[in-house]
Amino acid sequence: GAVVSQHPSWVICKSGTSVKIECRSLDFQATTMFWYRQFPKQSLMLMATSNEGSKATYEQGVEKDKFLINHASLTLSTLTVTSAHPEDSSFYICSATRDSNSPLHFGNGTRLTVT
Amino acid sequence: AQRVTQPEKLLSVFKGAPVELKCNYSYSGSPELFWYVQYSRQRLQLLLRHISRESIKGFTADLNKGETSFHLKKPFAQEEDSAMYYCAPHRGRRALTFGSGTRLQVQP
Repeated sequence: GAVVSQHPSWVICKSGTSVKIECRSLDFQATTMFWYRQFPKQSLMLMATSNEGSKATYEQGVEKDKFLINHASLTLSTLTVTSAHPEDSSFYICSATRDSNSPLHFGNGTRLTVT
Repeated sequence: AQRVTQPEKLLSVFKGAPVELKCNYSYSGSPELFWYVQYSRQRLQLLLRHISRESIKGFTADLNKGETSFHLKKPFAQEEDSAMYYCAPHRGRRALTFGSGTRLQVQP
């Protein structure tokens, strides 16, 4: 159990367009979801924490107007990269947890390439 | 800022040899440290957390506040332990910046 599905696995888009990435908890209700970013040959960095029904909490240095996060239900959080630029090209990973005593479960990640 | 360092990018050992994957942290307060593992073609998953003081798949990790370390150890490595290992500080449920990761290769 505790499967997190992330879609799409990869996406290529043109500069200036917006891209939406979905993170779904398939068999459990996730009160909290997290979004990470990984640059090539670098580690995962937490971007934001998404709580169902409330505004996301962004880490320092992450532009909330650039990376829109919506967590409208207990099984779905979306990350929208708005007006994408080549420097937004990266690997984005989500994770989800039932509650504060449960472990994180990770999605498979989405590779975004902005041309 | 809460930060962890994994100094080794690659650790190669033979089956049956002891393994120690290093993780050092550099921040104040009470650290909450976790180890995550990613096997080939699989997603990242939790291995163990320091507060539980548990042994998972033969791995243990002790928080050493004097040395600010949280090294992952296993006395006898197995081929199926070959994977990417990440050390990560947590604040509550939030896994913050992960370490750069160490690839463990266990040779037969």
